[in-house]
Amino acid sequence: GAGVSQTPSNKVTEKGKYVELRCDPISGHTALYWYRQSLGQGPEFLIYFQGTGAADDSGLPNDRFFAVRPEGSVSTLKIQRTERGDSAMYLCASSLLTSGGEQFFGPGTRLTVL
Amino acid sequence: DQQVKQNSPSLSVQEGRISILNCDYTNSMFDYFLWYKKYPAEGPTFLISISSIKDKNEDGRFTVFLNKSAKHLSLHIVPSQPGDSAVYFCAASFQGGSEKLVFGKGTKLTVNP
Repeated sequence: GAGVSQTPSNKVTEKGKYVELRCDPISGHTALYWYRQSLGQGPEFLIYFQGTGAADDSGLPNDRFFAVRPEGSVSTLKIQRTERGDSAMYLCASSLLTSGGEQFFGPGTRLTVL
Repeated sequence: DQQVKQNSPSLSVQEGRISILNCDYTNSMFDYFLWYKKYPAEGPTFLISISSIKDKNEDGRFTVFLNKSAKHLSLHIVPSQPGDSAVYFCAASFQGGSEKLVFGKGTKLTVNP
């Protein structure tokens, strides 16, 4: 079946602009996660959804970052007033939320803020 | 502070030999550990996992060992193949893996033919 998909694959924007990154999880996966990976680092947790609600948003760096999952499937990560430091690979993952359930990652969206 | 540490940024081995990738963690509340492999321009791919109630898990050429007293785990790949060349991330989680993953910085493995 289809894996996790993310769009766009690349996004270039200017400082101060608003961007939206989309994630389509594997069908039937109840848990959805967003991570951010900077060069030379491992992925860093941003936010985790269980169904429609954010179960843990402790990784969001500040209030410019927001994510939604209104119908419990597709999720959108929204970044307001982008800064050059927001440039990174944004990864989405989904899982079945059973004990030991592995997280399946999408290919990521490469965000570049000029 | 880095809760999951991979102290070797890179490792180079000969095809057919054993690759050993190491990982240390500081939070004793972690109860589930995973290894992911990442190729350029792709998302991380799950490789193997281990629960804290075990000390070894094996899947084909891949074996993960967990030493809880030392807060250390390792991934063994035997025999190593050129297609194994990738960046390997160690990750740890709470609640049996259902919550967020905390990743190390990764180790780039190169398997030479």
